[in-house]
Amino acid sequence: GNSVTQMEGPVTLSEEAFLTINCTYTATGYPSLFWYVQYPGEGLQLLLKATKADDKGSNKGFEATYRKETTSFHLEKGSVQVSDSAVYFCALDAGGTSYGKLTFGQGTILTVHP
Amino acid sequence: DADVTQTPRNRITKTGKRIMLECSQTKGHDRMYWYRQDPGLGLQLIYYSFDVKDINKGEISDGYSVSRQAQAKFSLSLESAIPNQTALYFCATSDPGQGGETQYFGPGTRLLVL
Repeated sequence: GNSVTQMEGPVTLSEEAFLTINCTYTATGYPSLFWYVQYPGEGLQLLLKATKADDKGSNKGFEATYRKETTSFHLEKGSVQVSDSAVYFCALDAGGTSYGKLTFGQGTILTVHP
Repeated sequence: DADVTQTPRNRITKTGKRIMLECSQTKGHDRMYWYRQDPGLGLQLIYYSFDVKDINKGEISDGYSVSRQAQAKFSLSLESAIPNQTALYFCATSDPGQGGETQYFGPGTRLLVL
């Protein structure tokens, strides 16, 4: 079946530090990959996505590249801010008969200190 | 105004009670979803609906039922609540596209079953 594995958290960084949150997946076919972010007390919102191999999704200084050879979609940001403190979820849409249904990783809590 | 709303935002109930969580959207999307979020487990799909006449079970539908009253409304019921249904519940919507469609989440309903 389809699955998503994220690095275990929580992750605690100082402001302006470099961020990497690892995400690997298992899926048949050619899934679309997503990062969603959940700020405290809110629902999830899309951060970025990539729909085919070697695509790079980017938004708000965050980036992730769809690596089919390593089945990975790691999230990176060069300089985090306190306002980036949130829970980050990696997810996939496997397409085919599963099209439109997301499989989520367990989430990674990020805390950024001033 | 929020595009995806959920009521109630918080609910405390007792074991054995029937409760309903409601979701409304103004995005005009055909597709709607119900997820539950448990700490460390990410989001799990309970039910989904690709149009008003289409209802499908997700990964964890046991103990839940849904009703799609209109394009804009999708309700989740717990027929006889039990303590392990204590969780954060999210409704989401999406619009079918060429792949990698974004899901839009409501703010969530926090449910406590005593």
